[in-house]
Amino acid sequence: DIQLTQSPSFLSASVGDRVTITCRASQGIGGYLAWYQQEPGKAPNLLIYLASTLRSGVPSRFSGSGSGTEFTLTISSLQPEDFATYYCQQVNSYPRTFGQGTKLEIK
Amino acid sequence: EVQLVESGGGLVQPGGSLRLSCAASGFTFSIFDMSWVRQAPGKGLEWVSLIRRNDGPTYYADSVKGRFTISRDNSRNTLYLQMNTLRAEDTAVYFCATGSCNSAFCSPYLDYWGQGTLVTVSS
Repeated sequence: DIQLTQSPSFLSASVGDRVTITCRASQGIGGYLAWYQQEPGKAPNLLIYLASTLRSGVPSRFSGSGSGTEFTLTISSLQPEDFATYYCQQVNSYPRTFGQGTKLEIK
Repeated sequence: EVQLVESGGGLVQPGGSLRLSCAASGFTFSIFDMSWVRQAPGKGLEWVSLIRRNDGPTYYADSVKGRFTISRDNSRNTLYLQMNTLRAEDTAVYFCATGSCNSAFCSPYLDYWGQGTLVTVSS
């Protein structure tokens, strides 16, 4: 099975900051990676797919990059509604594993 | 509008069984790949299972293989998860989810999610 490791697990930042979350895969997955945002008590929301394609309606301050085994999610200027938990997921092979999550908190 | 509504969660004793349902509407259910994802209290997301469109192949996480069975009834637009030999570590909110599909292709990315149903395994 492919393992996904996100770093950091916790991130403290301020409104307006630029932040980057990394997701590393235990083996190559091409570009078959998604990023999700989850607010407490809610279902996850797809932000980015195919590693770098922004889902329709997602603000352009979100961006994704990477291929193979290393991927990043960047938020260029944090807004109050961005403080949530973020997950990566690989869809290259079964089981379609998630990373352990990165909780983004207000500093 | 795509809607997914899970039901069937509740309290069950270790070793017991439970069947979850996910009622789908707003799309042509039969041509969509459908997934279950779970989240233990205070923990991260865990992919559980997927059934391909048109009652195609099924896939499972190692943690549930041999105990859980995913199925679908395309005539009722409903997805199921039969959970047997339940363990305390199966306690979680279970979400059904799907991606965007057309007649030729299903996206593997999970665009649409239900609100989840809570399963608690405890004596």
